[in-house]
Amino acid sequence: EAGVAQSPRYKIIEKRQSVAFWCNPISGHATLYWYQQILGQGPKLLIQFQNNGVVDDSQLPKDRFSAERLKGVDSTLKIQPAKLEDSAVYLCASSAQPTNEQFFGPGTRLTVL
Amino acid sequence: GQQVMQIPQYQHVQEGEDFTTYCNSSTTLSNIQWYKQRPGGHPVFLIQLVKSGEVKKQKRLTFQFGEAKKNSSLHITATQTTDVGTYFCAVRGGNDMRFGAGTRLTVKP
Repeated sequence: EAGVAQSPRYKIIEKRQSVAFWCNPISGHATLYWYQQILGQGPKLLIQFQNNGVVDDSQLPKDRFSAERLKGVDSTLKIQPAKLEDSAVYLCASSAQPTNEQFFGPGTRLTVL
Repeated sequence: GQQVMQIPQYQHVQEGEDFTTYCNSSTTLSNIQWYKQRPGGHPVFLIQLVKSGEVKKQKRLTFQFGEAKKNSSLHITATQTTDVGTYFCAVRGGNDMRFGAGTRLTVKP
């Protein structure tokens, strides 16, 4: 069974630029999560999708971050414009009933200069 | 919003010693999950606890869910160097999913 795929693995941009991340969850997983993990901290949930609907986006900085999962499968997370404090690893995870075990992708390491 | 506290932040042990990390929530939880993240890696699921007072074991790892479903612990007996990493609890209350800050375990051979 293929795992969660993410791309790119690394991205370096300058502040005020835009960036997008892509995630392809495990086939059949209805729930998809985007997390931000700053070095030394736990993952912070940005947004949770159930199929193509948003379940929780309370911690998403909506003035600069957006995410979509149009067909209920893969998803993109965008930052526009980026700030220095956005430097982090962006993790995508997916899960399915009944276990709700989250399977994480390898993450995208973003550096904002 | 939901608050989750995990202690200790760091733990350094000699190989063979035991290790325990605790997770405490400000609200009653639907369930709690535990994950392990190796240095440079991504979180990997260990277990999910759902029932009040539940205890589950995986070889040297013992997981407990408090009676009030507000706290949990992960205990490792006789640590090995392969146990190195950061252990996170992830809590769900309603639709909220929140990770603790993690306990970073280092093991001296």
